[in-house]
Amino acid sequence: KAGVTQTPRYLIKTRGQQVTLSCSPISGHRSVSWYQQTPGQGLQFLFEYFSETQRNKGNFPGRFSGRQFSNSRSEMNVSTLELGDSALYLCASSLDGRNQPQHFGDGTRLSIL
Amino acid sequence: EDQVTQSPEALRLQEGESSSLNCSYTVSGLRGLFWYRQDPGKGPEFLFTLYSAGEEKEKERLKATLTKKESFLHITAPKPEDSATYLCAVPGQTGANNLFFGTGTRLTVIP
Repeated sequence: KAGVTQTPRYLIKTRGQQVTLSCSPISGHRSVSWYQQTPGQGLQFLFEYFSETQRNKGNFPGRFSGRQFSNSRSEMNVSTLELGDSALYLCASSLDGRNQPQHFGDGTRLSIL
Repeated sequence: EDQVTQSPEALRLQEGESSSLNCSYTVSGLRGLFWYRQDPGKGPEFLFTLYSAGEEKEKERLKATLTKKESFLHITAPKPEDSATYLCAVPGQTGANNLFFGTGTRLTVIP
């Protein structure tokens, strides 16, 4: 069974640009969550999507947004990139999300110059 | 506010030297505690879920236990391939699927 797939694995952008990251969940999983991982803050929850609807949102500015498609695939978008957005962005999927284990992809490493 | 604290931050063990990692939490109504392993350049890999105090789970050289205030990850006779960062996490408020993660314990097992 294929795991969570994230593309691209690496991205280099400059300040002010925007970026879109993609996540394909494990087949049959309907909940997709996004996390940001940095050395200083660790893993922080961004948002969760279920059945194409944002169900939960973390404490991040509105520049961070996402969406989910009918096949459960998800994208997240970051607009007006800042140096502090450099991080590993991780996607995780679970069956329906309620207190279940989340299974992570290997992330997209985003570097802002 | 929900909090998860892991200790120690880093741990170096000789191969075969058993030890324990600690995860203490303060949440209003625990709805599960998750342990993950993360290798450099990879995403966290799910290890265990514990739902109630007294519960234990085992996998190879790892055993996770849970009390009302903390969880332990016991590593018995570790091998170099057990070197990784171990993370624990708890779900956020009721009905939410957001995990609060601790900052992890970086384990190095020396041959």
